[in-house]
Amino acid sequence: GQNIDQPTEMTATEGAIVQINCTYQTSGFNGLFWYQQHAGEAPTFLSYNVLDGLEEKGRFSSFLSRSKGYSYLLLKELQMKDSASYLCAVRHDQTGANNLFFGTGTRLTVIP
Amino acid sequence: DSGVTQTPKHLITATGQRVTLRCSPRSGDLSVYWYQQSLDQGLQFLIQYYNGEERAKGNILERFSAQQFPDLHSELNLSSLELGDSALYFCASSGPFGGRNEQFFGPGTRLTVL
Repeated sequence: GQNIDQPTEMTATEGAIVQINCTYQTSGFNGLFWYQQHAGEAPTFLSYNVLDGLEEKGRFSSFLSRSKGYSYLLLKELQMKDSASYLCAVRHDQTGANNLFFGTGTRLTVIP
Repeated sequence: DSGVTQTPKHLITATGQRVTLRCSPRSGDLSVYWYQQSLDQGLQFLIQYYNGEERAKGNILERFSAQQFPDLHSELNLSSLELGDSALYFCASSGPFGGRNEQFFGPGTRLTVL
């Protein structure tokens, strides 16, 4: 099975940097995804890691350590529009399938 | 706009009833996934179809069923509805297997069971 943990809520200040952690335990691992979801809207893809290390994409970076079952999403130069839920998802290593298992999400509030 | 469409946007019905949710994937995507998102829970994977065939199954109740048609659109059927089935139901699609192959989500159907 899969067990994915992330903090429920975080608050950060506009212009600052915030790190959202995700730990996972899975019987098979084939990639980790981060999605952003504004309230009542569809999740949108942010980043993907399958090998250890840091992936940078503009203001967003994501890190993965497979041996530790750990990932984080780093958001820099926070903007008010970054207030949303951030979902960590693990892709299960199952041939022919691409389904994702999501954590419960971290609700980030950016304050002025 | 992800290119994935879902209808209806909202659905209000009573306990014991049956409803059908519809999803059209992005052009060219063969895989369709269904997820349920309740207020106090994260996105729960229900089922995946690939080119018309069931490929993976998650926490889908026996009262729920799905299928993918030859034109690749998919339907999720929910029957004998209970209050606890009230949730946002998302459909997602993705391209061929391998590599990043991220899923693109539709806008969701909000189901309210009264």
